Amino acid sequence: GAGVSQTPSNKVTEKGKYVELRCDPISGHTALYWYRQSLGQGPEFLIYFQGTGAADDSGLPNDRFFAVRPEGSVSTLKIQRTERGDSAVYLCASSFPWDRLYGYTFGSGTRLTVV
Amino acid sequence: QKEVEQNSGPLSVPEGAIASLNCTYSDRGSQSFFWYRQYSGKSPELIMFIYSNGDKEDGRFTAQLNKASQYVSLLIRDSQPSDSATYLCAVKDNFNKFYFGSGTKLNVKP
Repeated sequence: GAGVSQTPSNKVTEKGKYVELRCDPISGHTALYWYRQSLGQGPEFLIYFQGTGAADDSGLPNDRFFAVRPEGSVSTLKIQRTERGDSAVYLCASSFPWDRLYGYTFGSGTRLTVV
Repeated sequence: QKEVEQNSGPLSVPEGAIASLNCTYSDRGSQSFFWYRQYSGKSPELIMFIYSNGDKEDGRFTAQLNKASQYVSLLIRDSQPSDSATYLCAVKDNFNKFYFGSGTKLNVKP
């Protein structure tokens, strides 16, 4: 596709439930990033994939959060036992790994609301 | 902890004026700096990047970088109501990871 695609665009779930958020990167981009943006804040780094492996998962807040990218393309962010504090917009971005001097393009995000 | 600081605003300017947005960062080793614009309910959109000291101009936008002072700014000339948005300053580390400020909300009044 032309850009980074994220689904669903909105997700409402009950506290304690499990959710999966999907990111489909720009074709050919081997680097993929997940960020989380809470209301009134800038995006906060969660995890970075280079190919299939997580190169940096230091931003995952706790072990309820997990992300995979099994074939080096689509990535899924998984949140177990959701809490109201998990409510935020989850943003995905992708790039070529050598684009160190350039910004990357975000997808339109998934707005997660935990009730 | 790498920090990026921005005044949350709102910054209000009249249409046609120059809007000046400022950002400071804590990591002296940072190499590349970015400005993103975010409309309400939308994802951030890259508008400028800079990695050398001095000014970089692109249309009505000018990014300014002073590494000695750890300071980045964005000037918007001839501000338009359509420029009303939140502007996010971001610093990228050597591992392609961004650190964002919390953003400055800009209101351009017709």
